[in-house]
Amino acid sequence: GQQVMQIPQYQHVQEGEDFTTYCNSSTTLSNIQWYKQRPGGHPVFLIQLVKSGEVKKQKRLTFQFGEAKKNSSLHITATQTTDVGTYFCAADNYGQNFVFGPGTRLSVLP
Amino acid sequence: AAGVIQSPRHLIKEKRETATLKCYPIPRHDTVYWYQQGPGQDPQFLISFYEKMQSDKGSIPDRFSAQQFSDYHSELNMSSLELGDSALYFCASSPDRNPYEQYFGPGTRLTVT
Repeated sequence: GQQVMQIPQYQHVQEGEDFTTYCNSSTTLSNIQWYKQRPGGHPVFLIQLVKSGEVKKQKRLTFQFGEAKKNSSLHITATQTTDVGTYFCAADNYGQNFVFGPGTRLSVLP
Repeated sequence: AAGVIQSPRHLIKEKRETATLKCYPIPRHDTVYWYQQGPGQDPQFLISFYEKMQSDKGSIPDRFSAQQFSDYHSELNMSSLELGDSALYFCASSPDRNPYEQYFGPGTRLTVT
């Protein structure tokens, strides 16, 4: 079945440093979504990417979808303590299966 | 703005008992998803419904069943509970315009003892 991998599994950064998490699939994806889950909370939808090579920005967050639609990245510029949480990518390969990646847990040290 | 409502928020059951979890989607959202999330794990897709019909099936055990009712709320029925069923169960709903834009409820924490 489809697998979605994320790296790194954990990331500890100092407040103000940048952070990037990568999502990789073994198959071509029709689209990809990113979610954030705060400790003790529920996943919150951040964004969806559909087009090959697409780049979207939300304030300090930049999302990219690879040209081959097999990978994606989330980059946070100048992290803040409010960015703490687990970032999941979620993907669907043309309706065959919908899966979440294992997530990247971000810790931000003040 | 209205959010997804789940009840109960916490549930404690013994092995071999049954449990029913309820989900009330955001108004005018016609797709409902159920997920199971173990400690430190990613959400595992169980099942989804679109317009009251089952649309996709994931890793839902045969001991579990779900349905969506005419008012669009959904229930996840779990029988012969096992210790391994202890987890957070999330319901999510999405609007017709974008089934991938899922809004999650606060979850039901099920503990099986």
